[in-house]
Amino acid sequence: GQNIDQPTEMTATEGAIVQINCTYQTSGFNGLFWYQQHAGEAPTFLSYNVLDGLEEKGRFSSFLSRSKGYSYLLLKELQMKDSASYLCAVRDSNYQLIWGAGTKLIIKP
Amino acid sequence: GAVVSQHPSRVICKSGTSVKIECRSLDFQATTMFWYRQFPKQSLMLMATSNEGSKATYEQGVEKDKFLINHASLTLSTLTVTSAHPEDSSFYICSARGDKEGYYEQYFGPGTRLTVT
Repeated sequence: GQNIDQPTEMTATEGAIVQINCTYQTSGFNGLFWYQQHAGEAPTFLSYNVLDGLEEKGRFSSFLSRSKGYSYLLLKELQMKDSASYLCAVRDSNYQLIWGAGTKLIIKP
Repeated sequence: GAVVSQHPSRVICKSGTSVKIECRSLDFQATTMFWYRQFPKQSLMLMATSNEGSKATYEQGVEKDKFLINHASLTLSTLTVTSAHPEDSSFYICSARGDKEGYYEQYFGPGTRLTVT
């Protein structure tokens, strides 16, 4: 079966750095997405990785290792507004998104 | 990025009535639209996938006669929850996919909060 694993909840301090991991087992691979979702809102796109390596976009970076079935989202200089759920999703061979359960990130002052 | 709208954003209805939710892609043609449901503190659950002009493909466990999906044009899909019950209360999110060569991005609508009393 297809499976995406990520931690349920993480806590970090304002101004610090946090890494959210995601491991996956899917039928084929056509890219990995990270989305941010604030409570009561729809997900918003953060990053897309299809090749191995690190993609940097401002305070957010995303890493992918296809051989390991592994990705992480790195958030730097954390701000209170970064408190949200972070969803890892993998696009399978049918171009369908397989979703992880999301990681709730709590930022403390 | 592309814009997807949903209407209404919130709806309260009585048990037994039907509710229609609209999803529109505003600045691109959506060849495929997805309907998700999300219960509190849970991840997105794909309900169905629809391609313009054809019948929707429903995920296992989703009643197609209860959740009617129409994708009549490349910019509009509708989800109708028929004979709604309190357990149908949830956050419904649509997503639209337009095709770019070699890359298929999904854009999400803002969601519709359905409360069935």
